[in-house]
Amino acid sequence: DADVTQTPRNRITKTGKRIMLECSQTKGHDRMYWYRQDPGLGLQLIYYSFDVKDINKGEISDGYSVSRQAQAKFSLSLESAIPNQTALYFCATSGEGVYGYTFGSGTRLTVV
Amino acid sequence: EDQVTQSPEALRLQEGESSSLNCSYTVSGLRGLFWYRQDPGKGPEFLFTLYSAGEEKEKERLKATLTKKESFLHITAPKPEDSATYLCAVQASFGGGGSNYKLTFGKGTLLTVNP
Repeated sequence: DADVTQTPRNRITKTGKRIMLECSQTKGHDRMYWYRQDPGLGLQLIYYSFDVKDINKGEISDGYSVSRQAQAKFSLSLESAIPNQTALYFCATSGEGVYGYTFGSGTRLTVV
Repeated sequence: EDQVTQSPEALRLQEGESSSLNCSYTVSGLRGLFWYRQDPGKGPEFLFTLYSAGEEKEKERLKATLTKKESFLHITAPKPEDSATYLCAVQASFGGGGSNYKLTFGKGTLLTVNP
């Protein structure tokens, strides 16, 4: 099983719909992150969480919300999806200190 | 503001043709520099962490080096399976001390190795 699992892998949704992307990890780490990747723009941080009670906005949080249901689960929601939220979304986890992140395989979201 | 610039944006090599990818950075309080490999439609896969100027790390045909302002990823005698996007990221403090660090990514270099 993958260390970081994201569901769904692919999703097409309509403008104005609410959608949730889910992430779970088996690394036992407290820290989890949501990134968005667009062609030519690299990875941008949406939200991050250092533990279940600590959730913070990243660079591009407008239009998104998150929920940390447990140490291992971190969900990203788009309350009212819009076409420019079409992108590849990655969840990641890391240990405390200077460690590389472990990424999930991503969710490809298309908003039509 | 932390910045990471990778060059070139794209690189096309013949199999066996060695080359280097560049990552230049501006960051306050660098804690670590990371290299990742990303295949199409997949998540970034960790390659190396470098912590201080002068440090080098190797893995198969890849060698990463670090100076105070940039890092290089050297690819020796590449093979077609080395084709991927290579991402550089720097880790610096969110501020406020402690061990809360953020990762800032470059836009990547798309490497294509032709047989």
